[in-house]
Amino acid sequence: KNEVEQSPQNLTAQEGEFITINCSYSVGISALHWLQQHPGGGIVSLFMLSSGKKKHGRLIATINIQEKHSSLHITASHPRDSAVYICAAIQGAQKLVFGQGTRLTINP
Amino acid sequence: GAGVSQSPSNKVTEKGKDVELRCDPISGHTALYWYRQRLGQGLEFLIYFQGNSAPDKSGLPSDRFSAERTGESVSTLTIQRTQQEDSAVYLCASSTQHRPGEKLFFGSGTQLSVL
Repeated sequence: KNEVEQSPQNLTAQEGEFITINCSYSVGISALHWLQQHPGGGIVSLFMLSSGKKKHGRLIATINIQEKHSSLHITASHPRDSAVYICAAIQGAQKLVFGQGTRLTINP
Repeated sequence: GAGVSQSPSNKVTEKGKDVELRCDPISGHTALYWYRQRLGQGLEFLIYFQGNSAPDKSGLPSDRFSAERTGESVSTLTIQRTQQEDSAVYLCASSTQHRPGEKLFFGSGTQLSVL
């Protein structure tokens, strides 16, 4: 069993739908990253959070340390949101443990 | 430069040869990471540098892999006696400091193909 599990692995939705991607981890962490990997391979860091909730535009990330769970939400999804979304748990001071990613496809 | 720069962008090598990959982090970023992503697989942590502290090498898959960084500047990842399973995209990322709120900035990666 991976230390960081994401679900779903693949998600296809229609433009405008509310999207939720989940990340559960079994290890103790100090914080967690949500990353976005574009079809061309480039990776962008969306959020780094250790508690509560963060919002940036249509993206919202939440984390519950007690439940060892984080979610990434996308409101009013758009085809340009199509990408692979990766959660990465920070163990100790710096080691990152990655989930396998969720491939999101938003159809127009 | 404005972002994290990696070179070369593509490298094709023969099995058994050594390769050196380079990462130029964003100026002022004390933290630097190397990752790799094999085809169809997730990201895999390799090594982490933070300022002048001893690097975290716990992710290096074998002693054929090594990385150096001088101060807060360029880092090189060296793979000796390359094997076909080393074929992957090698990604470098940097950040100002690893604490909540600090984002990672990724380079565009080096695609390594070992024939």
